[in-house]
Amino acid sequence: QVQLQESGPGLVKPWETLSLTCTVSRGSVSGYYWSWIRQPPGKELEWIGYIYSSGTTKYNPSLKSRVTIYVDTSKNQLSLKLTSLTAADTAVYYCARREAFAGYLAFDSWGQGTLVTVSS
Amino acid sequence: DIEMTQSPSSLSASVGDRVTITCRARQNIGNYLNWYQLKSGTAPKLLISGASSLQSGVPWRFRGGGSGTDFTLTISSLQLEDFATYFCQQSNSVPWTFGQGTKVEIK
Repeated sequence: QVQLQESGPGLVKPWETLSLTCTVSRGSVSGYYWSWIRQPPGKELEWIGYIYSSGTTKYNPSLKSRVTIYVDTSKNQLSLKLTSLTAADTAVYYCARREAFAGYLAFDSWGQGTLVTVSS
Repeated sequence: DIEMTQSPSSLSASVGDRVTITCRARQNIGNYLNWYQLKSGTAPKLLISGASSLQSGVPWRFRGGGSGTDFTLTISSLQLEDFATYFCQQSNSVPWTFGQGTKVEIK
């Protein structure tokens, strides 16, 4: 069973850039689509974007101007950069693998999530 | 974006109860609907994909139904380990969107 683990700073200042890493173990990043998803306190989950192991990306239009997702196949990791942070970016951030089940796409493996608080 | 609306937002139930959660899509999404279980501090778990296909290892008491705009997740006999928050998610079109969640609490 593939395992995902998010890591990064728990506290970031407003207007700074957030950098998170997701390390994949017991499996390979190659050949899969990987997403970042977040959940602000008391709100629904929000899909941030995905990356394929080749580097192809697609982002949520609501965040597109501030988001970059990377993949490093040599380290079996994916990364998220989110710029110009505000309090609205405070959330639990998850990485997840997208898989296809009989043609239906779903996130079949997730990390435990990491809480990021934006505050001065 | 396709808005997903879940109801109820929370419910209280006892072990052994039958529980049904509904999820409504703002537009027709066919069967492109997934259900997840979230427990605090743990990785979210995919329960059902394609509206009704149970994932491997998920107990048979979980059942997904519906198509188009209206979907349900039913737990036929609630167990202690089922007390959690449940989310629906549409995979019909990007950006993929989630319902606001239903918290199932012990009565």
